[in-house]
Amino acid sequence: SQTIHQWPATLVQPVGSPLSLECTVEGTSNPNLYWYRQAAGRGLQLLFYSVGIGQISSEVPQNLSASRPQDWQFILSSKKLLLSDSGFYLCAWSVGGLGNQPQHFGDGTRLSIL
Amino acid sequence: SQKIEQNSEALNIQEGKTATLTCNYTNYSPAYLQWYRQDPGRGPVFLLLIRENEKEKRKERLKVTFDTTLKQSLFHITASQPADSATYLCALGGNTPLVFGKGTRLSVIA
Repeated sequence: SQTIHQWPATLVQPVGSPLSLECTVEGTSNPNLYWYRQAAGRGLQLLFYSVGIGQISSEVPQNLSASRPQDWQFILSSKKLLLSDSGFYLCAWSVGGLGNQPQHFGDGTRLSIL
Repeated sequence: SQKIEQNSEALNIQEGKTATLTCNYTNYSPAYLQWYRQDPGRGPVFLLLIRENEKEKRKERLKVTFDTTLKQSLFHITASQPADSATYLCALGGNTPLVFGKGTRLSVIA
């Protein structure tokens, strides 16, 4: 069966520090991978998605970046965090089309910027 | 731009009753509509997917309708239980990535 892992579960970082969040998926080949941010009262906002190794699409301009070095690995990074980067970050995977298949989410990382 | 509205931020219902949640959208013609459940501090969990040419889909106590003329989906939970208390998200998609609504927080009161 397929599993998705995200870590860490919670993270407290100072403004201006770097960030690296990792997401891995097991049990499926060539999944579509997604990074979302969920802020209070704002719903799920798609940040990046990837349809294959090295292929990244950005949905929202920001100081975050994403990379997919392996088929099963998706990384969210920042060189300098802003206060506005606080939120609940979720990774998800799907197979097939981008919007016509169920997405399966990890349990997220709660990021607090001080 | 695309806009998705879920009827209310919070809905309280008595145990045993049918809960009905609404998802309305504008400036969009999605081919697919999905519903997810999210518990506090957890990622969303997929529940149901319905295509634009399907009027209704059921899964156990859950029922989803999709009216492309009204641009609306209704999500029903029959014989609701306290364990159904959660936030429910609708999401619209097709050839482009899903767009999620903000969700409705359902509380089922015993």
